[in-house]
Amino acid sequence: AQKVTQAQTEISVVEKEDVTLDCVYETRDTTYYLFWYKQPPSGELVFLIRRNSFDEQNEISGRYSWNFQKSTSSFNFTITASQVVDSAVYFCALSERLYGANSKLTFGKGITLSVRP
Amino acid sequence: GAGVSQTPSNKVTEKGKYVELRCDPISGHTALYWYRQSLGQGPEFLIYFQGTGAADDSGLPNDRFFAVRPEGSVSTLKIQRTERGDSAVYLCASSLTGTMNTEAFFGQGTRLTVV
Repeated sequence: AQKVTQAQTEISVVEKEDVTLDCVYETRDTTYYLFWYKQPPSGELVFLIRRNSFDEQNEISGRYSWNFQKSTSSFNFTITASQVVDSAVYFCALSERLYGANSKLTFGKGITLSVRP
Repeated sequence: GAGVSQTPSNKVTEKGKYVELRCDPISGHTALYWYRQSLGQGPEFLIYFQGTGAADDSGLPNDRFFAVRPEGSVSTLKIQRTERGDSAVYLCASSLTGTMNTEAFFGQGTRLTVV
C-alpha cells in the first residue's frame, strides 16, 4: 500500500525566514507523481507543484522550490523568504494507480505552517 | 463555474438522519473524486467517478455511504443513518482526465457535523 509521511506537524517561523517542509513516501509503483497542496483557513486545497517519478531535477518557481530524491523517497518543499500569507496547512500527496491510467491521491497528515510578522 | 462548488458549506444533522452533499465539478472535467478529511488528518479517498460510472468505490467506509453522478457532471454523496463518527469535512475534486499527471482541483468542502 502507498503511504505518505509528514513527520513535522507544526512549524512556526518569522516572516522572511526560509522554511523546508519534509515528505517521505512509500510506493511499489515505478511510475508515480508527487504533489504538494496548500490548505488555507478557507479549507480549499490549492495545488502547488507536481513532480513525476522519472524526473529528479529540482526546480525553483518563484519563492517555491522542491527537492525530489528517489534514493531516499523524499520530496521536500521549501518556501524562501516566507510571508504571513503562507500560513496554512501543507499536504504532500502521492498518486496511486486505480486502473489503467487513472489514479487517486494518497495524502500525508499535513504540516501546519505559521508565519509570524 | 470557475471552480469546484460544494453545497452546503456546513451541515448539522442529528444522529440517524439522512444527508446529501452536492458537488459541481469544473465544466468539462470527466473525473470526479470524493475525499473525507477528519480533524488534523489529510484527506482520505472515498470514491472516484469517470463520467457517469463509479470506477472505484473502495474508499467508502460502509454501505451507509453511496454516491451518484447520473449525467456525468454534478455528483451527490449520500449518507444514510448518520453516526457521530461521520462528522468530517467532505471534499470533492475534479480533474480533466483522472490520469496521474493531471492535477485535481478541490472544492471548499462541506463540513458535516452529526450531533
